[in-house]
Amino acid sequence: DQQVKQNSPSLSVQEGRISILNCDYTNSMFDYFLWYKKYPAEGPTFLISISSIKDKNEDGRFTVFLNKSAKHLSLHIVPSQPGDSAVYFCAASPEDDKIIFGKGTRLHILP
Amino acid sequence: DTGVSQDPRHKITKRGQNVTFRCDPISEHNRLYWYRQTLGQGPEFLTYFQNEAQLEKSRLLSDRFSAERPKGSFSTLEIQRTEQGDSAMYLCASSPHVGVWQFFGPGTRLTVL
Repeated sequence: DQQVKQNSPSLSVQEGRISILNCDYTNSMFDYFLWYKKYPAEGPTFLISISSIKDKNEDGRFTVFLNKSAKHLSLHIVPSQPGDSAVYFCAASPEDDKIIFGKGTRLHILP
Repeated sequence: DTGVSQDPRHKITKRGQNVTFRCDPISEHNRLYWYRQTLGQGPEFLTYFQNEAQLEKSRLLSDRFSAERPKGSFSTLEIQRTEQGDSAMYLCASSPHVGVWQFFGPGTRLTVL
């Protein structure tokens, strides 16, 4: 059973507009939620995280929103830039620190 | 380069052969993790070490898989009697301690023919 779900395999967004990537989870015991970004031929790179006790965390162009009642989180990228084209993994971590990843969403930023 | 390094980057082997991968974590990171990623999936946790102690193993890690971190620095992942289903990207990650998110290496892509 998949504990972290990313239901959109891909997303295309015009450069300069907002990109919204969505993620759902099933385990209410997760302590932290994470987003990782992955370029081809590279390992995933940590992007931003949010604690389960918060509902928003912002870092520059990236904002993550957490809705615990809906078991849903989203990553907003504003404004979207060409270098943002990559695969984005939503992930969650229980208290023992290992990371459980979703399947990923491929983001295409269109010129 | 002070990032996580993995060797080899690519490995092609025939079914039934043994393979070994190496991971060098970021210096002084005492936690080291192994993940496996197959096509269309996210990375899946396999096992992790704190220093030289292996603290957890996933049920994905069958008896044919063994991981070591003998001196608490680099780690090796060995797969014995490889099967075609073992074809995947094997990712290593490290972190300095609990609560600091993991830094990933570039991975070793294994193809079993």
